[in-house]
Amino acid sequence: GENVEQHPSTLSVQEGDSAVIKCTYSDSASNYFPWYKQELGKRPQLIIDIRSNVGEKKDQRIAVTLNKTAKHFSLHITETQPEDSAVYFCAAEVSGGGADGLTFGKGTHLIIQP
Amino acid sequence: DAGVIQSPRHEVTEMGQEVTLRCKPISGHNSLFWYRQTMMRGLELLIYFNNNVPIDDSGMPEDRFSAKMPNASFSTLKIQPSEPRDSAVYFCASSLAGTGGYGYTFGSGTRLTVV
Repeated sequence: GENVEQHPSTLSVQEGDSAVIKCTYSDSASNYFPWYKQELGKRPQLIIDIRSNVGEKKDQRIAVTLNKTAKHFSLHITETQPEDSAVYFCAAEVSGGGADGLTFGKGTHLIIQP
Repeated sequence: DAGVIQSPRHEVTEMGQEVTLRCKPISGHNSLFWYRQTMMRGLELLIYFNNNVPIDDSGMPEDRFSAKMPNASFSTLKIQPSEPRDSAVYFCASSLAGTGGYGYTFGSGTRLTVV
C-alpha cells in the first residue's frame, strides 16, 4: 500500500518568515495530494490540494509543489502569522476521485515565534 | 449544510464495554471513511464505504472493531469489547467520489477514553 513520509516533525520559524514542509510518497499511482491543517482539539481541515497533472498551485500565502518523477510534494507558507501555528498533514490518494481514502504523513507541528 | 456530524464528542467507558460511534456524512456525499488518530500512529484509515458498501476494511485493527453503513446518511463504528489501547480520537470523513474529488471533509471527531 501507499506510504507517506513527512518532514520535519517540528518546525519553528519567526513570524514573517517562510515555512516549508516536505513529503514523499511510495505509490507512483497516487495522483491526488491534499494538505490539512489541524489546530489543537479540532478536526483536520483542507487548506490546499494538488493533482498529478499540475506542478504547482498557489492560494494567497500558501503554495504546493509536486514532483511526480521524484515522488515528493511540498507545502510553502510565506509571511507566516501566529494563526498559522498548528499541525499540518500531507496525504496521498491513488484514485484522485475521493473514493479510496487518504494515506497521511505523521504531521508537522509548525510553531510561529513572535 | 452542517458538515459531517459525529456523536458523541467524548466517550469514557470501562474496559470490556461495548462502544458505538456514530457519523452522519454530508448530504449527497457517496463515500464515507473512518479514521483513528493517536500520537504514536497518527491518522490511520480504518475502513471506508462507497455508496454504502464497505470497500476496504484492512485498516481495522482487530475483530473487536466493526462498522456498518445501513443507509447513505448514517454509519456506525463499534468496538466490542473495548480495551485501553483503543483510546484515541476517531474521525469520520465523507467525500463526493467520482467527480474528480472536492476533498475529504472531516467531522469533529469522537474522543474515546477506555479506562
